[in-house]
Amino acid sequence: EAGVAQSPRYKIIEKRQSVAFWCNPISGHATLYWYQQILGQGPKLLIQFQNNGVVDDSQLPKDRFSAERLKGVDSTLKIQPAKLEDSAVYLCASSSYTDFPYEQYFGPGTRLTVT
Amino acid sequence: RKEVEQDPGPFNVPEGATVAFNCTYSNSASQSFFWYRQDCRKEPKLLMSVYSSGNEDGRFTAQLNRASQYISLLIRDSKLSDSATYLCVVNIRSGATNKLIFGTGTLLAVQP
Repeated sequence: EAGVAQSPRYKIIEKRQSVAFWCNPISGHATLYWYQQILGQGPKLLIQFQNNGVVDDSQLPKDRFSAERLKGVDSTLKIQPAKLEDSAVYLCASSSYTDFPYEQYFGPGTRLTVT
Repeated sequence: RKEVEQDPGPFNVPEGATVAFNCTYSNSASQSFFWYRQDCRKEPKLLMSVYSSGNEDGRFTAQLNRASQYISLLIRDSKLSDSATYLCVVNIRSGATNKLIFGTGTLLAVQP
C-alpha cells in the first residue's frame, strides 16, 4: 500500500516570500491533517480536513496560512508571506475515520527554511 | 498543564538494557492511544497502539491505565537501532472527527 506522499521535501525561501506544499494521502483515507513540527517539539496540528471540508483549523494562522483539499483527495498548504518563525517541518498525515483506533500515517514532510 | 506529558530525556542506556517510558494525559475523553517513533529528521511512524489490556509486539510492551490516565512503553533487550524519539499520542474523538494530541517526545540513545 502506498504511503502519504508530500512534495517538495525541502524548501528554502526568503522572508515575505510565498511557498506551497502538496500532499497526497493514503488511498481511501477521508481525513487529512497538516502539522507543523518545530525542532525539539511534537507535531502541532494546523488544519484537519474530513473529505473536502475543514473540521478544525483553530491553530492555523489564517492571516498568512491557507489550505485546501479540492475533491477530497490531494491537499495544498500555502504560506504567504513567510516569516522567520515559520521555519519548521510541515507534515501531512491521513487516517480513516471509521476504523478504530483511528491511527494516523505521516508523509515524509517538507523541511522549510525561511531566511 | 500540558494535555500529554512525557519525560523528554534523554535516556542513555547500554545495549541489552530494559528501558521504560511513561506518559500522562489530562483529557479523560481520550479514546485511543499510541506510541510513535520518530528518527532524527524523519516523520513519526506508528510503533504500536495501546490497549487497556496491555499489548506486546516482540521486545515492546505497551500498557494503558485509564483510571490513572497513564500510558507506558517498555523496551526489552535494547538495540542500537532503537535510538530515536518516542512520542506518546492520544486520540480524542468528537462525533466523527479524530484529533491526535502529541507529547513532546522522549529521546532514547542506546549506547554500544
